[in-house]
Amino acid sequence: QSALTQPASVSGSPGQSITISCTGISSDVGSYNLVSWYLQHPGKVPRLIIYEGSKRPLGVSNRFSGSKSANTASLTISGLQDEDEAEYYCCSYAGNRTWVFGGGTKVTVL
Amino acid sequence: QVQLVQSGAEVKKPGSSVKVSCKSSGGTFSRYTISWVRQAPGQGLEWMGGVIPVLGSANYAQKFQGRVTIIADDSTNIAYMEVSSLRSEDTAVYYCASGSPDGFDVWGQGTMVIVSA
Repeated sequence: QSALTQPASVSGSPGQSITISCTGISSDVGSYNLVSWYLQHPGKVPRLIIYEGSKRPLGVSNRFSGSKSANTASLTISGLQDEDEAEYYCCSYAGNRTWVFGGGTKVTVL
Repeated sequence: QVQLVQSGAEVKKPGSSVKVSCKSSGGTFSRYTISWVRQAPGQGLEWMGGVIPVLGSANYAQKFQGRVTIIADDSTNIAYMEVSSLRSEDTAVYYCASGSPDGFDVWGQGTMVIVSA
């Protein structure tokens, strides 16, 4: 069970769009459409922003969108805002009631 | 709306054990997965294991097999996570989180565990 691979950091200017990738293997990301994404501000509890690959919980901005192709999932943040500066984590179901997280991506708003 | 409230911070000696609790209120405890996720200082999230209270048996990440025990008490709506043979690398914030395979939508506030001689 290796961690999913995310870029360590991604940056963008306000109003721009950025995409964070999350690469797994055929037995986790590749096998299930069950990737979730979490946002974590420093010192705060992680918050679910995308579930089941592309769905948004109630109250989550539609500026966040998710997708998947083969073993790689992606999170896109459009119309980047200052409050989007945070750490983002992907997570995939890996079968047998186990999950695996990505290493996290720090998003910086320039 | 489900809420998860965890027990307070702990300071432990290397080699000892720690048990953290996670009490669920406001929802159906037994049908959803309660997972435990830890975050070492300055590090990322790491899934440790989880339990579906109605099923009883827990599943663990390979890394934690044999050293972590997760149980759920359906009568009190409390889940527990115990880590034995503590070492300094176990210093972390431990979160419980509730959800289903598609995502963890409710998180506890986190419990800081410090392992220090």
